[in-house]
Amino acid sequence: DIQMTQSPSSLSASVGDRVTITCQASRDITNNLNWYQQKPGKAPKLLMYDASNLETGVPSRFSGSGSGTLFTLSISGLQPEDFATYFCQQYDSLPPTFGGGTKVDIK
Amino acid sequence: QVQLQESGPRLVKPSETLSLTCTVSGGSIRDYYWSWIRQPPGEGLEWIGLIYFTGNTYYNSSLRSRVTISVDTSKNQVSLSLHSVTAADTAVYYCARAPAWPTGTKFDYWGPGTLVTVSS
Repeated sequence: DIQMTQSPSSLSASVGDRVTITCQASRDITNNLNWYQQKPGKAPKLLMYDASNLETGVPSRFSGSGSGTLFTLSISGLQPEDFATYFCQQYDSLPPTFGGGTKVDIK
Repeated sequence: QVQLQESGPRLVKPSETLSLTCTVSGGSIRDYYWSWIRQPPGEGLEWIGLIYFTGNTYYNSSLRSRVTISVDTSKNQVSLSLHSVTAADTAVYYCARAPAWPTGTKFDYWGPGTLVTVSS
């Protein structure tokens, strides 16, 4: 199975900050990567697909980049509703696998 | 708006079978893939398996020997059975929709999840 490693596992930030989360794949997955946001007690919500495409309805302050083995999710101008845990997920190879998550909390 | 809702027993005894149903409303179950994904408390997400409305299934090899996923198109439902459970199967279980498989697999709609505890 492809291992997905996220860093950092948690970070503290303030409203208005720019935040960057990294996801590294154990082998080349081209751009076959999605990002999800999960709030406590809620189901994950799809944010980005194919590494850099914004899902419909997701604010443009979210952006994704990367290919191969290294990917980033950036949030420019962090909003109060963005404090959550973020997961990456690869679909290049079966089974689909997820990163361990990055928790973004308030500084 | 498509909505998914998981239902089933919240407490299962060790060695027994965990059974959950996902009811899809606001849209047809046809033409989509339906997945089960779980999340142990405080941990990450694990993909369990997936079914197409035709009944074709794909399972995570780590669970394949214990998992059965089925579909009932007349009821717009997808079901999960996990046999011979242990405490390690305690998790929040989600059903989720995938518009495509395996190319472009993204989970675009999720149920709220249901916590299933394995305990005697």
